[in-house]
Amino acid sequence: SQTIHQWPATLVQPVGSPLSLECTVEGTSNPNLYWYRQAAGRGLQLLFYSVGIGQISSEVPQNLSASRPQDRQFILSSKKLLLSDSGFYLCAWSVQRVEKLFFGSGTQLSVL
Amino acid sequence: GENVEQHPSTLSVQEGDSAVIKCTYSDSASNYFPWYKQELGKRPQLIIDIRSNVGEKKDQRIAVTLNKTAKHFSLHITETQPEDSAVYFCAASSGDYKLSFGAGTTVTVRA
Repeated sequence: SQTIHQWPATLVQPVGSPLSLECTVEGTSNPNLYWYRQAAGRGLQLLFYSVGIGQISSEVPQNLSASRPQDRQFILSSKKLLLSDSGFYLCAWSVQRVEKLFFGSGTQLSVL
Repeated sequence: GENVEQHPSTLSVQEGDSAVIKCTYSDSASNYFPWYKQELGKRPQLIIDIRSNVGEKKDQRIAVTLNKTAKHFSLHITETQPEDSAVYFCAASSGDYKLSFGAGTTVTVRA
């Protein structure tokens, strides 16, 4: 069966520090991969999605970036974190476009 | 882009009663409408979805209705139980890779 791993679960970082969140999927090939951010009391905001290795689409212009170095690996990065980057970050995968998204367990990021 | 509005933001119901959550969308090209449930401290999980060529879909105590003309869709939960307490998100997509979510509804089922 398919599983998705996301780490770390929680992260506290100072403003201006770098960020790297990693997500891996097991049990499927060529998944569509997504990064979402969930601010407190708000819905899920799509940040990036990828339909293949090296293919990244950005939905929100900001100081975050994403990379897909391997088929089942998706990385969210930042060179310098801002206070506004705080939130709950969720990785997700799907087989058929956005149908039936499967989410990872999320990373609670606090930028102080 | 697509804009999805969800109401109410909080909903408290007595156990056994029904709960209804409503969403509106802006893009008439949207054709896929899923609902996700997120229990406290857990990941969102798909509970039901509907396509634009269907007006209603049911799965046990959960049903979703879609009105394409009015561009709104609703989630109905009947005979609510304590385990139905969670945050529910509606979403809409025009069939590409972008899924636009509503802000969520926190449902509390009172025993």
